[in-house]
Amino acid sequence: TQLLEQSPQFLSIQEGENLTVYCNSSSVFSSLQWYRQEPGEGPVLLVTVVTGGEVKKLKRLTFQFGDARKDSSLHITAAQTGDTGLYLCAGGVPYGGATNKLIFGTGTLLAVQP
Amino acid sequence: GAGVSQSPRYKVAKRGQDVALRCDPISGHVSLFWYQQALGQGPEFLTYFQNEAQLDKSGLPSDRFFAERPEGSVSTLKIQRTQQEDSAVYLCASSLDYSPNYGYTFGSGTRLTVV
Repeated sequence: TQLLEQSPQFLSIQEGENLTVYCNSSSVFSSLQWYRQEPGEGPVLLVTVVTGGEVKKLKRLTFQFGDARKDSSLHITAAQTGDTGLYLCAGGVPYGGATNKLIFGTGTLLAVQP
Repeated sequence: GAGVSQSPRYKVAKRGQDVALRCDPISGHVSLFWYQQALGQGPEFLTYFQNEAQLDKSGLPSDRFFAERPEGSVSTLKIQRTQQEDSAVYLCASSLDYSPNYGYTFGSGTRLTVV
């Protein structure tokens, strides 16, 4: 069973602070994606990284895929209250070449206080 | 529609009752997925369709769970003889491509409560 562990599980910070969320596994993934989910809604895709060592920036968010394609990190600079939500990493899992699915991490619940 | 639509949004079922959850994916999306999500946790894979073919049902918890997508568009997840441990949010997602690398578009989910 492939398992993606996220840390920390919970994070409460003040507006303006920086933070990093980690996503780790012992398995290699074809891609690594990050989603953000708000209460009562489905996850929304933030970014996809497919190359080991790849770094992508999306405004105040920086995503990195590990060189060995087993782990990833999400760094948020100067957090805002609108960043509050459940952050999920997800690994792309080829399955016998015929099917593909995402395996989701355990989740990081972020609360940004004003 | 512009997004993935799921109905009902909320469902309360008595233990032992059968339920059916509906998913309308984005038009033209080939891949359709069902996930189960407990509160504050990451979604767990249930099953995957490519058009009308169910190619992976390895995540279905028991034979009480059944999913179909007969015409390659709308999908239904059916749970027979519901039990309390079935209480969760059921998410449907669709994707234009066969590869997971392009990301999924999720619906808002159906929150099932079994009492």
